[in-house]
Amino acid sequence: GAVVSQHPSRVICKSGTSVKIECRSLDFQATTMFWYRQFPKQSLMLMATSNEGSKATYEQGVEKDKFLINHASLTLSTLTVTSAHPEDSSFYICSAHPAGGWAYEQYFGPGTRLTVT
Amino acid sequence: GQQLNQSPQSMFIQEGEDVSMNCTSSSIFNTWLWYKQEPGEGPVLLIALYKAGELTSNGRLTAQFGITRKDSFLNISASIPSDVGIYFCAGWANFGNEKLTFGTGTRLTIIP
Repeated sequence: GAVVSQHPSRVICKSGTSVKIECRSLDFQATTMFWYRQFPKQSLMLMATSNEGSKATYEQGVEKDKFLINHASLTLSTLTVTSAHPEDSSFYICSAHPAGGWAYEQYFGPGTRLTVT
Repeated sequence: GQQLNQSPQSMFIQEGEDVSMNCTSSSIFNTWLWYKQEPGEGPVLLIALYKAGELTSNGRLTAQFGITRKDSFLNISASIPSDVGIYFCAGWANFGNEKLTFGTGTRLTIIP
């Protein structure tokens, strides 16, 4: 149980285009989903927290107009990187907090590697 | 954003050796967590610690929640090849800023 999927697993896009990444909780409902970014050989840095049906809360320094987050249902959140640039190339990981779970409880997706050329 | 300091940054050990790593913070946490991440994957939870002084085991893994609530350590006994990966500590503080703060990571490599 508690499986989180991400799609796509890898994506290459050209500079200036937009890319959408999906995060799904497959066997549980997620009241909250989190989006992290991880650069090579670095730790996970939280980008934003999204609650189903409401606007995402972005961490300081993360541009909300560039990283659009939609949490349309209790099993799906999407991250759209708009007007991508090479510096946006990174490993994007989502996690999902199960409804009724412990406060700290998050299940992580397998990540999406974005390469912007 | 804030990161927790982990040490060592990397370890090269032989199969069968024990491993010890720790994590320190300038602020206190209610919950300490240890995750393992393999290449191209998301982190997987290994152990969760809920109160100061707590010592918890999960198979060959043992972790402790520091008395000051500002540190934690993880031990792996009798390492095996599948232990290879990056180990992250993470702290959870529900003081109005409920999110996981991750450590800088310890990369474990096992020499055959």
